[in-house]
Amino acid sequence: QQQVKQSPQSLIVQKGGIPIINCAYENTAFDYFPWYQQFPGKGPALLIAIRPDVSEKKEGRFTISFNKSAKQFSLHIMDSQPGDSATYFCAASMGRGAQKLVFGQGTRLTINP
Amino acid sequence: GAGVSQSPRYKVAKRGQDVALRCDPISGHVSLFWYQQALGQGPEFLTYFQNEAQLDKSGLPSDRFFAERPEGSVSTLKIQRTQQEDSAVYLCASSQSVNYGYTFGSGTRLTVV
Repeated sequence: QQQVKQSPQSLIVQKGGIPIINCAYENTAFDYFPWYQQFPGKGPALLIAIRPDVSEKKEGRFTISFNKSAKQFSLHIMDSQPGDSATYFCAASMGRGAQKLVFGQGTRLTINP
Repeated sequence: GAGVSQSPRYKVAKRGQDVALRCDPISGHVSLFWYQQALGQGPEFLTYFQNEAQLDKSGLPSDRFFAERPEGSVSTLKIQRTQQEDSAVYLCASSQSVNYGYTFGSGTRLTVV
């Protein structure tokens, strides 16, 4: 059973644009929602994470928006750069930090110069 | 070390062969996770250790998969009688404690021919 659904599968944006990646979850027991960035040949790296007691969190150019009632959350990348081109994964777990993560299927993001 | 180290980086195995994949976590990290990432997919949880104790092995796909961490540091994931469907990247991650996020290694790409 797929517990975290991510869309779109791929996304192409011009430099300076604002790519938006969406995720929806099913398990209401999830209470920790991180986003990971993965470059080819590397492991995923934590970008930003949110807990359901807030609706938005910003770190640098990255923002998570969270809608608890809809069981959805999204990643926005402000002023996107070609170096942001990577695969992005949303994830969810029960409990902060080092708990078992359930990942979405990933979004391959390309930022054109 | 500075990061999570996995070896080998690449492994080609003939169908039916046994393989062993090694993970050297960040020094002092208590928690250690193994994930399996199929091509174009998000990582999927395999198993979790806290020190030398294997607390969750619910993600291991069959009894051909076995993981150990005998001294609470280095971990080995062993796959017996490899099958083509075992072809994937195997990711290891470690964390300072259950209250912290974790760091992934670059993975071992296993190809079964």
